Amino acid sequence: DTAVSQTPKYLVTQMGNDKSIKCEQNLGHDTMYWYKQDSKKFLKIMFSYNNKELIINETVPNRFSPKSPDKAHLNLHINSLELGDSAVYFCASSQPGQGSYEQYFGPGTRLTVT
Amino acid sequence: AQSVAQPEDQVNVAEGNPLTVKCTYSVSGNPYLFWYVQYPNRGLQFLLKYITGDNLVKGSYGFEAEFNKSQTSFHLKKPSALVSDSALYFCAVRDGGTYKYIFGTGTRLKVLA
Repeated sequence: DTAVSQTPKYLVTQMGNDKSIKCEQNLGHDTMYWYKQDSKKFLKIMFSYNNKELIINETVPNRFSPKSPDKAHLNLHINSLELGDSAVYFCASSQPGQGSYEQYFGPGTRLTVT
Repeated sequence: AQSVAQPEDQVNVAEGNPLTVKCTYSVSGNPYLFWYVQYPNRGLQFLLKYITGDNLVKGSYGFEAEFNKSQTSFHLKKPSALVSDSALYFCAVRDGGTYKYIFGTGTRLKVLA
């Protein structure tokens, strides 16, 4: 009964390839997020969707494109992968509308670009 | 701009001793504050939050935090540390004007047996 799940857990690929990471939450939350955690463990928000609508779009390269087919899913597609994209990507969800502002994180996807 | 500072990269404490992990914040408006813990190769886990009400908030695993408005701090505390508390701890603040959460740089807690 995993609350926030991500696939794949590990992703090793070569520069220039295109890859996707999938995220699903079964908490009934309206808001979902993508974060990037770099090698120094700094955590930075990339995108957020509220009920399938993009509400946060941080300064990330256009090669990154989120997609939310429904409010339980938020996928991240990355085109033309670069070495600097290597990081751990976390999906999260929350339900701020009901006063439950804390976020629930997935286990992460470790992306390694060679 | 909203910001969160965790001034210590690492905190070492002996098992059984009290621990404190520091966090200060800068926000416009009322702060929504959070603590998360990250174990190796895992996602972040929510520990506790301050939204409104009592300045002392209690959370999971015996952790608590004190909201201090005058010092703009939200330090994480535990009366008696366990070796299993060793992990990376993040403080975060929610921007009330957007849905954005800003995380501190993390503090590595090491509890020594």
